Amino acid sequence: SQQGEEDPQALSIQEGENATMNCSYKTSINNLQWYRQNSGRGLVHLILIRSNEREKHSGRLRVTLDTSKKSSSLLITASRAADTASYFCATDELVKLSFGAGTTVTVRA
Amino acid sequence: GAVVSQHPSRVICKSGTSVKIECRSLDFQATTMFWYRQFPKQSLMLMATSNEGSKATYEQGVEKDKFLINHASLTLSTLTVTSAHPEDSSFYICSARAGRESNEKLFFGSGTQLSVL
Repeated sequence: SQQGEEDPQALSIQEGENATMNCSYKTSINNLQWYRQNSGRGLVHLILIRSNEREKHSGRLRVTLDTSKKSSSLLITASRAADTASYFCATDELVKLSFGAGTTVTVRA
Repeated sequence: GAVVSQHPSRVICKSGTSVKIECRSLDFQATTMFWYRQFPKQSLMLMATSNEGSKATYEQGVEKDKFLINHASLTLSTLTVTSAHPEDSSFYICSARAGRESNEKLFFGSGTQLSVL
């Protein structure tokens, strides 16, 4: 079953702008992960944030986690055309990962 | 980093035939592998979890006789779609877990696009 809900479903931005997407989930989690998927391809792991962490950075990525609200956000700063992809949050429920519906990001040159 | 190889990347078959998809962990032992299905512009839906040497655990609503999973070694899991029909057309993705318990290290294959005519 699908645990995470993401918004927006789609996002179109100009190169150089920031992209923010949100993920909400329902149950307790061990950690939350963000993945990128280029069209017709597999998933690439971007970043993991543990349940006891509130914010994490990796390059141009910034992830926040609010366990009280059961939500997370992914910020991509200074976007590039190569960032065009679908982004999924995944909640680690120990026995499996459950993926959100995804946000499709289009970065216009 | 760790690599998971999934093969074939694309397959077109006639209705009624069976299709086998392979998922290999190339440089680590995968005690657990997961199989997902993804429809266009939708999320990944977990189909089943397979542990090496034991029967796969299927998610609710997934027909185990339709989607046969074999995980006979620590580096190979296979998904066989038996008697495929057009409604089985989808994107199938495997992932492999390096550790026995943690999902912090999951590596994904590049996916298989199945088209059933």
